[in-house]
Parts: sequence; C-alpha cells; structure tokens
Amino acid sequence: NAGVTQTPKFRVLKTGQSMTLLCAQDMNHEYMYWYRQDPGMGLRLIHYSVGEGTTAKGEVPDGYNVSRLKKQNFLLGLESAAPSQTSVYFCATTPSISYGELFFGEGSRLTVL
Amino acid sequence: RKEVEQDPGPFNVPEGATVAFNCTYSNSASQSFFWYRQDCRKEPKLLMSVYSSGNEDGRFTAQLNRASQYISLLIRDSKLSDSATYLCVVNTREKSNYQLIWGAGTKLIIKP
Repeated sequence: NAGVTQTPKFRVLKTGQSMTLLCAQDMNHEYMYWYRQDPGMGLRLIHYSVGEGTTAKGEVPDGYNVSRLKKQNFLLGLESAAPSQTSVYFCATTPSISYGELFFGEGSRLTVL
Repeated sequence: RKEVEQDPGPFNVPEGATVAFNCTYSNSASQSFFWYRQDCRKEPKLLMSVYSSGNEDGRFTAQLNRASQYISLLIRDSKLSDSATYLCVVNTREKSNYQLIWGAGTKLIIKP
C-alpha cells in the first residue's frame, strides 16, 4: 500500500535547468496539492488540483507549472530553476477539502546551485 | 500579522512532564482546526482534529477557543518519542472556497 509516492526524493540542479517532480497516489483521492517547506515557515501552497484535468494556483505559484492528466498523478515542473527554489517539496492528497486530513508523500529535497 | 501563528520554540521539556502550546489564527471565519506532527526531515502526519468541545486522545488533549481565536495542544506524561515539530492547520471557508493555512510549527524536545 504505497499511498502517496514522490519522485525523485533528492535532486541537485544548476540555475536555469528544468525538472519535473512526480506525485503518484493510489488512494483515489480527488484533491492533490504541491507545497514547499522552508526553514521557519509554514507549508506554502504552490498549486493544487481538485480533480483530473484541473489545476489552480496557490499562494506561491511563480516559477512553477503543474499538470494533472491522470487522476493518480500530479506533476510539478520547474522550467528554469533558481536558487530561491531550493526547498523541500511535499505532495499531499485528500478525498475532499472539507475532510481535513491531508496525506503526504515523503518529500522531495531540491537544491538549486 | 500572520494568519496562523505559533511559537517556534524549541520547548525543552523533561520526560514525564506536561507541556502545552498554542496556535493563534486571525480569520474568524475559520471552520476546522488540526494538529499535525512532523518528525525531523519527514512528512507531516495528522495528530488530531480539534473539535469545538475539545477532544482527547490518550495523552494528548486539544482545545479550541473561538472567542480568543486560538487552539491548544496539551501533552501529558511526555515521552522521548514526542520530540517533533507540531504544526497547526486552520481550514477557512470563504464563499465556496476552502483554504488550509499552516502555522510554521512549534519544536518540542523531550529530554531524558
């Protein structure tokens, strides 16, 4: 029972490079989220999706793009990485926003040099 | 002012002691509240929801004070394994949109 799986778990990029983080869930949840977590700050929402084929901007969307072509997958893309995007990225899912509990992946640690 | 505020700590507490910390929120339209636990370099995991009447789960008690707009978490008989960062989350509904706002967390260190 995998739950929520993020790949890759670690990545080092050079400024200007691009990459994609994959979040895969086997819980059949409609809602999926991408957060970033930086020291001393709460989780900040980057983008989210309320169902297959839908995406919406969160609190800090600049520099990121997302896609949800299949219900079970939510991709986060960095087109031109910047050092300010060095962070830990978490994917989370929930069956509905009013449910309250989020189920998280283990996180992806990204360093941009 | 941040929408959800927590004392970052760390709270250094001897094993067996009782510790409590609060989380304040600014939006009076907030509807539901949660405490998550996050171990070092791990993902957050739900510890407990916070109900209006207060709720208890073993050694953990959560309370909501709507008048003063804060929630609290009390841990009794603390264990070494309680060492973690505790995140509060506030779910606010405005019109038809729900929004989860996260506090930055309170770090708890239980010492033997």
